[in-house]
Amino acid sequence: GQQLNQSPQSMFIQEGEDVSMNCTSSSIFNTWLWYKQDPGEGPVLLIALYKAGELTSNGRLTAQFGITRKDSFLNISASIPSDVGIYFCAGLTGGGNKLTFGTGTQLKVEL
Amino acid sequence: GAVVSQHPSRVICKSGTSVKIECRSLDFQATTMFWYRQFPKQSLMLMATSNEGSKATYEQGVEKDKFLINHASLTLSTLTVTSAHPEDSSFYICSAGLAGDGTQYFGPGTRLLVL
Repeated sequence: GQQLNQSPQSMFIQEGEDVSMNCTSSSIFNTWLWYKQDPGEGPVLLIALYKAGELTSNGRLTAQFGITRKDSFLNISASIPSDVGIYFCAGLTGGGNKLTFGTGTQLKVEL
Repeated sequence: GAVVSQHPSRVICKSGTSVKIECRSLDFQATTMFWYRQFPKQSLMLMATSNEGSKATYEQGVEKDKFLINHASLTLSTLTVTSAHPEDSSFYICSAGLAGDGTQYFGPGTRLLVL
């Protein structure tokens, strides 16, 4: 099935640095969701975006719903070791209930 | 809020046996539950969508007789892997959706190893 393209695929950063990752699609989505998955665990919802142009924060996390509705980005400020994991974006089309998942961005934080 | 549990968290079984995985929404009623499969270092792959009281809708390429789904109540869905084989070994994750929201909340996953 279709997957959203996430970039970068992986990143290795220093503790305290800011992180930015994005998610792009050739299709329009009405809802964008960002999840974090730790090894051996299920994804945990970080931020949900429901409106084009919407900018939403959750602690050190900020995500935006692109105005074209074909992309979204996630920023993490002042990264800490527990930010390590795989971040997935997911999109939902209007009237549907099936999520399309991104390819994932693996984040590694160096102390 | 929006907590989803799965049981068991991991299971090892012999080839040819059947394995049942339970998915429960603990603090909300889920009109729809989803079952995903995830291979190492890959994204989640949707297997099927189940609605309470009706037959599950399977994604293309997923054998419905192999992966039996029962959604008996608004808080419980089960996935049974029938006649399991080593190639069925994977990480199975369920999610539950809130009506009208589109957001899905995921369970902690079940690691299945078929010997």
